[in-house]
Amino acid sequence: DGGITQSPKYLFRKEGQNVTLSCEQNLNHDAMYWYRQDPGQGLRLIYYSQIVNDFQKGDIAEGYSVSREKKESFPLTVTSAQKNPTAFYLCASSIVAGGNTGELFFGEGSRLTVL
Amino acid sequence: AQKITQTQPGMFVQEKEAVTLDCTYDTSDPSYGLFWYKQPSSGEMIFLIYQGSYDQQNATEGRYSLNFQKARKSANLVISASQLGDSAMYFCAMRGRSWGKLQFGAGTQVVVTP
Repeated sequence: DGGITQSPKYLFRKEGQNVTLSCEQNLNHDAMYWYRQDPGQGLRLIYYSQIVNDFQKGDIAEGYSVSREKKESFPLTVTSAQKNPTAFYLCASSIVAGGNTGELFFGEGSRLTVL
Repeated sequence: AQKITQTQPGMFVQEKEAVTLDCTYDTSDPSYGLFWYKQPSSGEMIFLIYQGSYDQQNATEGRYSLNFQKARKSANLVISASQLGDSAMYFCAMRGRSWGKLQFGAGTQVVVTP
């Protein structure tokens, strides 16, 4: 089955530690995205990548880093510089091509809690 | 800058009734797309329906329809014949010129009661 796999589903971290969230897709999509969701709120874009070895900051990139070494993979690192990292993180992918709606396909999310 | 506004934080609807979820948007892009997603308590985002800014007809997908009023910049979702499984958070989102970058509203929590 084609889809997006995020791991881990739940993650606990001590203050001051970096943590990396995994996102893998087998949909052959060019673009991948990371969104953050806080309780009762909408999704906010952290980083996105439309092609391998290239990525751009979204609206709330401070304290986060990403890499895109393979088309299938777009890991997100939450660094100790992120002031309030406890949140639900969603990875998504999309086709980047004319005639397409630009619909995002989402993973099941990773819930990060800082203790 | 793009903006999506969902003014209804939550609503109750009785099973088998129809419900309308409001969404207004603001953009300077002449071409854009509007989406609705459903998020159950498990957290995954489920795509429901899409409307392009140049589409002449309102989009429909099964029990979901999008009431698109371009002049008023609104894209309301109508769910007909509500089911208990429709209880979830619903998000309106917009894509502008930057392909794939969706801007999301704050969401509306829908609870369907028997």
